[in-house]
Amino acid sequence: DIQMTQSPSSVSASVGDRVTITCRASQGISSWLVWYQQKPGKAPKLLIYAASSLQSGVPSRFSGSGSGTDFTLTISSLQPEDFATYYCQQVNSFPPTFGPGTKVDIK
Amino acid sequence: EVQLLESGGGLVQPGGSLRLSCAASGFTFSTYAMRWVRQAPGKGLEWVSDISGSGGYPYYADSVKGRFTMSRDNSKNTLYLQMNSLRAEDTAVYYCAKGAYDSSDHPTPGDYWGQGTLVIVSS
Repeated sequence: DIQMTQSPSSVSASVGDRVTITCRASQGISSWLVWYQQKPGKAPKLLIYAASSLQSGVPSRFSGSGSGTDFTLTISSLQPEDFATYYCQQVNSFPPTFGPGTKVDIK
Repeated sequence: EVQLLESGGGLVQPGGSLRLSCAASGFTFSTYAMRWVRQAPGKGLEWVSDISGSGGYPYYADSVKGRFTMSRDNSKNTLYLQMNSLRAEDTAVYYCAKGAYDSSDHPTPGDYWGQGTLVIVSS
């Protein structure tokens, strides 16, 4: 199975800050990487697919990059509604494993 | 508008069974892969199972293989998860998710998710 790691596990930031989250796969997955946002008590929401493609309706302050084993999710200017937990998931092969999540909270 | 509505969760004793359902609307159900994902209280997301649009080729996490069966009824636009031999560690919110496209041999991104149904396994 492909193992996914994320760093940091949590980050405290202020509105307007630039936030970067890193996701690493235990083996190469090309660009088969997606990012989700989850708010407390809510279902996950797809943000980014194919490592860098923005899902329809997602604000352009979100961006993704990377390929192979190393990926990043960047929020260019953090907004109040962005405080949430972010998960990466590889969709290269079964089982499609998730990273452990990165919680973004208010500084 | 895509809608996914899970049902069937509840409290069950260890060793018991439960069947979850996910009613889908707003898209051509039979042409998309579907997925179950669970989240234990306070924990991260765990993939459970995928199924192709035709209902063949289900895939399962090792943690549920042999105990859970995923199926779909395309005539009813409904997805199912039959859960047998339940354990305390199966306690979680179970989400169904729509795949971004159909596939029988490759995972797909989950582009729409239901709100989840809570399963509690406890005596």
